[in-house]
Amino acid sequence: GAVVSQHPSWVICKSGTSVKIECRSLDFQATTMFWYRQFPKQSLMLMATSNEGSKATYEQGVEKDKFLINHASLTLSTLTVTSAHPEDSSFYICSAAAGNTEAFFGQGTRLTVV
Amino acid sequence: GENVEQHPSTLSVQEGDSAVIKCTYSDSASNYFPWYKQELGKRPQLIIDIRSNVGEKKDQRIAVTLNKTAKHFSLHITETQPEDSAVYFCAASMSGSARQLTFGSGTQLTVLP
Repeated sequence: GAVVSQHPSWVICKSGTSVKIECRSLDFQATTMFWYRQFPKQSLMLMATSNEGSKATYEQGVEKDKFLINHASLTLSTLTVTSAHPEDSSFYICSAAAGNTEAFFGQGTRLTVV
Repeated sequence: GENVEQHPSTLSVQEGDSAVIKCTYSDSASNYFPWYKQELGKRPQLIIDIRSNVGEKKDQRIAVTLNKTAKHFSLHITETQPEDSAVYFCAASMSGSARQLTFGSGTQLTVLP
């Protein structure tokens, strides 16, 4: 149980375009989802926390208009990187939790902006 | 907010030797401390965790110790094997579980055969 799936696993896009990453909880209802970003050879940094049906809470320094998070259902959250630039190239990982219980990581999405 | 520092950044050991990775945290409200193993391009995998009401926890070759007073916790791997080679991250949370984690900077562990 507790399977979290991200799609796509990797994506290459042109500078200036937008990219959507999906995070799905496959066997439980995720009331809360967390989005992390990991630059090469660096640590994971929490970007935002989203609760189903509410606006996401962003960490300091994360642009909410650039990283749009939607958590419209209990099994799906999306992260849209708008007007992507090469410096947005990173590994994006979500984690999902039901209620106040443990959170489980997705497999991550490698974004490369060219 | 919480700040987690991790040392060393790289660690090489001979197969069969022990490896120790140390982390310190800044916020005394943190109450959950997991350790993750991450292979290149993959999701972090939880290998062991400890909560603030416990001082030590062991699972086969892996153990974690926590000193709340000093605000530091350590990962101990005994009888290391080449497959233990990976990047290890410590993390801290105030939620009592793996929610809203603050990660350390990571340790690249290499086990030499």
